[in-house]
Amino acid sequence: NAGVTQTPKFRVLKTGQSMTLLCAQDMNHEYMYWYRQDPGMGLRLIHYSVGEGTTAKGEVPDGYNVSRLKKQNFLLGLESAAPSQTSVYFCASSYSMTYEQYFGPGTRLTVT
Amino acid sequence: GEDVEQSLFLSVREGDSSVINCTYTDSSSTYLYWYKQEPGAGLQLLTYIFSNMDMKQDQRLTVLLNKKDKHLSLRIADTQTGDSAIYFCAESKGNAGNMLTFGGGTRLMVKP
Repeated sequence: NAGVTQTPKFRVLKTGQSMTLLCAQDMNHEYMYWYRQDPGMGLRLIHYSVGEGTTAKGEVPDGYNVSRLKKQNFLLGLESAAPSQTSVYFCASSYSMTYEQYFGPGTRLTVT
Repeated sequence: GEDVEQSLFLSVREGDSSVINCTYTDSSSTYLYWYKQEPGAGLQLLTYIFSNMDMKQDQRLTVLLNKKDKHLSLRIADTQTGDSAIYFCAESKGNAGNMLTFGGGTRLMVKP
């Protein structure tokens, strides 16, 4: 099992550009999450999904959109990137709400 | 302010015990977690404790929970250089989405 994988690992965007981050899991987990990690701060939840076709807002959803068309994939989109979105983005998945969250290796995004 | 707070940095000598502290504000937290993040990697769950427990031991790890003071600690016995990492505590209510609220992380440096 690959666990949770994220694509790409690194990306540099110019302000106003768009991109999509892909998260994939092969553990048949229902729940998937997108977090961002900024220096000196813990991870903050952007959006999450409790199953295929469902999404919900987390703590810091503004400027991001997500989709969960397939159970194993959770996409995070930035329609018009801003420097404030420079961060490391982590995806996670879990079997259910009381089970451990498994994290991907992260995507480092820089917006100039 | 932050819901979950941790000190930024801890330095210990190899073989000593490390104690990483965390305070939280939400008394309705159901689960409390300790995650480890090694450089360039995602978060790995080390251990967790239910809010109705006072202590949990798992090999070299001991978690202590003081609900009255809303204080959580992680003790690592016989600390090794491989324990050098950032340690995050997190809380959740175990509700829909199992959203985790993370502290800012404590960087543990183990000197040989």
